[in-house]
Amino acid sequence: EVQLVESGGGLVQPGGSLRLSCAASGFTFSSYWMSWVRQAPGKGLEWVANIKQDGSEKYYVDSVKGRFTISRDNAKNSLYLQMNSLRAEDTAVYYCARVLELLSSYYFDYWGQGTLVTVSS
Amino acid sequence: SYELTQPPSVSVSPGQTARITCSGDALPKQYAYWYQQKPGQAPVLVIYKDSERPSGIPERFSGSSSGTTVTLTISGVQAEDEADYYCQSADSSGTTLVFGGGTKLTVL
Repeated sequence: EVQLVESGGGLVQPGGSLRLSCAASGFTFSSYWMSWVRQAPGKGLEWVANIKQDGSEKYYVDSVKGRFTISRDNAKNSLYLQMNSLRAEDTAVYYCARVLELLSSYYFDYWGQGTLVTVSS
Repeated sequence: SYELTQPPSVSVSPGQTARITCSGDALPKQYAYWYQQKPGQAPVLVIYKDSERPSGIPERFSGSSSGTTVTLTISGVQAEDEADYYCQSADSSGTTLVFGGGTKLTVL
């Protein structure tokens, strides 16, 4: 059974940093693109970042470029999101999601339950 | 930045057909995907590659594509289908993924 379990969320002050983790199990982690998707309270879904199987390609939504870094450790079956210079508008539930690739098109077939990040003073 | 446009809300009575649209300039070149999200839960994929249904998704869910608009159709809507629905695709480069704003389906 595919499982994705996020951790690391919490309350952080504006300008602060936080590192999210996602522990994957039930599938060959190193064979899949992975992604972070977020959802602000009462709002819609927003894709944040993608990372290729070997970490050689990474893509970000414009609003987090230069502040967030996605990474992975295939030996530990883990995905990470380092978030720096956090802003109030980064407040959201952050989901880890497994990505399927279909003819250079990407979508999400499994999601974790999410971890809440609150940026507030 | 690239955007996908969905109606904020759709309402139907049980047993009727619900249609949720999603519009975007790159949709003729990029596949669309649909997710269902119920309160307090993670999203669930209900349609991929414009019109394919994952295993375990009821046959009443279907998808179609025409030009710059894709449509999620739920035939014979049931009370359990009440949820938020999001379309997802990519810009013309394929590297920037995007979700529509979401449509709240209300079953009257």
